[in-house]
Amino acid sequence: AQTVTQSQPEMSVQEAETVTLSCTYDTSESDYYLFWYKQPPSRQMILVIRQEAYKQQNATENRFSVNFQKAAKSFSLKISDSQLGDAAMYFCALYNFNKFYFGSGTKLNVKP
Amino acid sequence: DAGVIQSPRHEVTEMGQEVTLRCKPISGHNSLFWYRQTMMRGLELLIYFNNNVPIDDSGMPEDRFSAKMPNASFSTLKIQPSEPRDSAVYFCASSGGGVGQPQHFGDGTRLSIL
Repeated sequence: AQTVTQSQPEMSVQEAETVTLSCTYDTSESDYYLFWYKQPPSRQMILVIRQEAYKQQNATENRFSVNFQKAAKSFSLKISDSQLGDAAMYFCALYNFNKFYFGSGTKLNVKP
Repeated sequence: DAGVIQSPRHEVTEMGQEVTLRCKPISGHNSLFWYRQTMMRGLELLIYFNNNVPIDDSGMPEDRFSAKMPNASFSTLKIQPSEPRDSAVYFCASSGGGVGQPQHFGDGTRLSIL
């Protein structure tokens, strides 16, 4: 079975600071993909970052980077220099067999 | 390029009525997904299509729900008869271009059943 767990329902960060959101997953496959999506109050689901499991190098997109630990099945998202616009729900997702498995989400608050 | 287009954006209807949600995927994408999002259950996959063919409908809650994809550019999710517990945000997403490509979501339909 494929599962994705986000153990932090809610987190807060001060503007300009760095925050890390946790995600663990379970799969018996060796080839898969991992994603982080952002859902602001407007409810759009926006792709933040994508990681290919067979690549050891951690993906980065501007202020967003991941710490991918394949053996530990961990995929955390680091947001540097947090901005007010980063406030949103963040969902971790696992792709396998053409299906996406989503975690329950982490609500990120950004304090001015 | 236009993104995934869903309509309507909001729907309010009375219990027992038929509800039809519509989705136009991104041109060229060959996979389409329908999700339901609620506070209690999070984001649930209802059904997905590959090349217009339903592949996995195990997430469809019951027979009142049905989905079709008559062609590559259009899909519907129908609820008949609707019930208050169907109230949720329904998302359509599409993906294409090979294995492991991200899903692109529409803006969702907020459905309220009174």
